[in-house]
Amino acid sequence: DAGITQSPRHKVTETGTPVTLRCHQTENHRYMYWYRQDPGHGLRLIHYSYGVKDTDKGEVSDGYSVSRSKTEDFLLTLESATSSQTSVYFCAIAGSGDGYTFGSGTRLTVV
Amino acid sequence: TQLLEQSPQFLSIQEGENLTVYCNSSSVFSSLQWYRQEPGEGPVLLVTVVTGGEVKKLKRLTFQFGDARKDSSLHITAAQTGDTGLYLCADTTGTASKLTFGTGTRLQVTL
Repeated sequence: DAGITQSPRHKVTETGTPVTLRCHQTENHRYMYWYRQDPGHGLRLIHYSYGVKDTDKGEVSDGYSVSRSKTEDFLLTLESATSSQTSVYFCAIAGSGDGYTFGSGTRLTVV
Repeated sequence: TQLLEQSPQFLSIQEGENLTVYCNSSSVFSSLQWYRQEPGEGPVLLVTVVTGGEVKKLKRLTFQFGDARKDSSLHITAAQTGDTGLYLCADTTGTASKLTFGTGTRLQVTL
């Protein structure tokens, strides 16, 4: 009963292919976020959602899109994967006034 | 854009030693959070501090928030191997509870 799960945990994909990462929550939290974590850069916000069908860009959104058709699910899509998108991707959820709960991450390698 | 600087970047100590890590902001914190991240996992919230001068204790961990709310420290007493991990500070940015993260302090505690 982790409250938040990410899938897949690991993925290797080829340059130019589309990739979708999934985040699923059981906490009914309003806010959901996608971050990437890279050495020397820490955690950087890609996109976030503040409700069903309500999403907005973060600081590193180029090359990424998101969708949230249900409260529980927040999808991150790399339209055409590039080597610079090799990273560890974290989904997080937050209720009003709470800290974040993070998923366990997806390690994506683009070759 | 707010910058969160954490120091030191790396710290390697032996079990039983005390240590302090720091987080400094280029602007006043809105609501400072500390997280710990273990290898292969997402960050886990340790504490939230809001009031200038606030001190919070979590077992062997003591969190201090500067009076001017631009700096914070985390002190660990008698470190244990289980304290090993990446310590991250973060501040709430703008709307939708977005967080900006520091680049972290990587702590290694050995026997």
